Amino acid sequence: AQTVTQSQPEMSVQEAETVTLSCTYDTSENNYYLFWYKQPPSRQMILVIRQEAYKQQNATENRFSVNFQKAAKSFSLKISDSQLGDTAMYFCAFMKFNAGNMLTFGGGTRLMVKP
Amino acid sequence: ETGVTQSPTHLIKTRGQQVTLRCSSQSGHNTVSWYQQALGQGPQFIFQYYREEENGRGNFPPRFSGLQFPNYSSELNVNALELDDSALYLCASSLRTGLHSPLHFGNGTRLTVT
Repeated sequence: AQTVTQSQPEMSVQEAETVTLSCTYDTSENNYYLFWYKQPPSRQMILVIRQEAYKQQNATENRFSVNFQKAAKSFSLKISDSQLGDTAMYFCAFMKFNAGNMLTFGGGTRLMVKP
Repeated sequence: ETGVTQSPTHLIKTRGQQVTLRCSSQSGHNTVSWYQQALGQGPQFIFQYYREEENGRGNFPPRFSGLQFPNYSSELNVNALELDDSALYLCASSLRTGLHSPLHFGNGTRLTVT
C-alpha cells in the first residue's frame, strides 16, 4: 500500500514571496504519478501540477513548480510570486500507473497568503 | 462544457438511516470516482465506476455502494449510517483512454450524521 505524508499542517507566506510545501511518499512501485491539488473554501479539488515518475525533468506550470526526488521519495511544491488567491488547502497525491483514478492523498497543508 | 455537479450540497441524517448522493459527470467523461473527506483530512478513495460497473474499490465496507447510469452520472449510497460517516463526499469524473486523464472534481456533498 502507498502512503503520502505532508509534514506541514499550516504554512504562511507574504504576498509576492515564494513558499515551498513538502511531501514524502512511500511505495514499491516504479511507475506512478504524483499530483498537487488545491482545495479553496469552495471545496472543489483543483489540479495544480502533475509529475510522471519516469520523467526526470521537474514539472512546471506558470508560478508552480515541483522538486521531484525519486530516490528520496520526495515531491515538494514551490509557489513563486504568491498571490492572495493561492490561499487554500494543498494536497499531495499519489497514483499507481494504470490504476484508474485511485488517488492516495496526504493529510494536506493549509497555506495562508498574507497581504 | 458543464463541470461535475453534485447534489445535494448539504445533508443531515440520523444514525442508522440510509442516504443517496448524486453526481453528474463532466460532459464527455465516462468514469466516475467517489472520495470521502473527513474534516481536517485528505480525501480517501471509496470506489470507481466505468461503463456502469465498479472498477476499483478502497477500504470501505459493503454498506457503501454505488451505481453508474448510461449517461455516466452516478450515485453513492450509504446504508446504516454511522457517526463516523460524517464527511465531505467528493465525486470526480474523467475520460478513460488508457492513459491517465485529469480528474475533474465537483464541489462535494457535506453529510452530517447525528
